[in-house]
Amino acid sequence: AQSVTQPDIHITVSEGASLELRCNYSYGATPYLFWYVQSPGQGLQLLLKYFSGDTLVQGIKGFEAEFKRSQSSFNLRKPSVHWSDAAEYFCAVGAGNRDDKIIFGKGTRLHILP
Amino acid sequence: DTGVSQNPRHKITKRGQNVTFRCDPISEHNRLYWYRQTLGQGPEFLTYFQNEAQLEKSRLLSDRFSAERPKGSFSTLEIQRTEQGDSAMYLCASSLVVGTNEKLFFGSGTQLSVL
Repeated sequence: AQSVTQPDIHITVSEGASLELRCNYSYGATPYLFWYVQSPGQGLQLLLKYFSGDTLVQGIKGFEAEFKRSQSSFNLRKPSVHWSDAAEYFCAVGAGNRDDKIIFGKGTRLHILP
Repeated sequence: DTGVSQNPRHKITKRGQNVTFRCDPISEHNRLYWYRQTLGQGPEFLTYFQNEAQLEKSRLLSDRFSAERPKGSFSTLEIQRTEQGDSAMYLCASSLVVGTNEKLFFGSGTQLSVL
């Protein structure tokens, strides 16, 4: 069965600074990987996804993520954060076939210092 | 495309009562998921459907929980004899699986409070 680990529960960065949120997955085959964001009182919104091809994936709101098979990682990055990026970020993994589900990590809460 | 709709948005109930939530997925989406999310945690998988077939149920889903998706359209999640530990946000998501491509669209959730 697949699993997702987000080792950082909270991350605090200053506005304008760069950001990297870590995600490690466990899955026996090539995974499908996702990053979702959840702002307070809002639903979950997809930032980006990796299915195949280029291991550096561009998403919305200036986010990108890099799939590294050797490290079983799919870290989320942004070169310069904005105060509006403060939210909860969830990494998710799916099996990419019709008979398996998408599961989520426990999330990383991002705090932005002015 | 009106998005995934969940009703009610909030439900307050007394311990021991039964509750039922409804999810209307994006039309023509063939897959529907139920997740549960508690404060400070990620969405925990409960169950999912491919059309009307329930493909998997999590160990988290005790016998008090039952989900249906008649005719492969809307879905209901019922909790019988609610307990305080059932208090959580219940999220529904739907997707259109085409080949191996899948993208989840989430509803706003139903917040359950068991007193």
